[in-house]
Amino acid sequence: EAEVAQSPRYKITEKSQAVAFWCDPISGHATLYWYRQILGQGPELLVQFQDESVVDDSQLPKDRFSAERLKGVDSTLKIQPAELGDSAMYLCASSLDPPSHEQYFGPGTRLTVT
Amino acid sequence: GQSLEQPSEVTAVEGAIVQINCTYQTSGFYGLSWYQQHDGGAPTFLSYNALDGLEETGRFSSFLSRSDSYGYLLLQELQMKDSASYFCAGLNTGFQKLVFGTGTRLLVSP
Repeated sequence: EAEVAQSPRYKITEKSQAVAFWCDPISGHATLYWYRQILGQGPELLVQFQDESVVDDSQLPKDRFSAERLKGVDSTLKIQPAELGDSAMYLCASSLDPPSHEQYFGPGTRLTVT
Repeated sequence: GQSLEQPSEVTAVEGAIVQINCTYQTSGFYGLSWYQQHDGGAPTFLSYNALDGLEETGRFSSFLSRSDSYGYLLLQELQMKDSASYFCAGLNTGFQKLVFGTGTRLLVSP
């Protein structure tokens, strides 16, 4: 069964450092999402791509976060500089075109900023 | 924007039936999805309601009432493995993005 891949699974970094997360969606899924999930809360959408284009990044803190999906396949989310409040689970998901109510999530990257 | 409210925790025993409610306030609401998430795991899709009424998928059913801005997830014949967090998520008509609810932690005891 096809799955969304993410790496790394865990990342510990010091505040003010840069950190990057990688996501490879299910093959053929045009839509890719990055979510942030704080413990005990629901996932919050950070950015949504349709192929290589950003469809929604209204909740992305653009002063420190950036995301790209250059070839419309895999994607990278970067934080620079990291802050203590960025500690969370970062989830990647994908869905078939058009954007869908049924999204497939990867295992996530657990980020701890010290 | 959207906001979706759920009870924080529900407890039940094996074999029982439990209902997890979701009330939403939204503009441009398109439909309601439900996701399950075990501790440390990724959310997995359970069900979706685009229209009012009941959708049944095995032991799980989901209901939507647009006039009441309300939906619920019904879990029957509860098993220990059903202990998890459950999220409703509203799909909006703009960018068709999902907005997740506050989440309900279900604890199933023997």
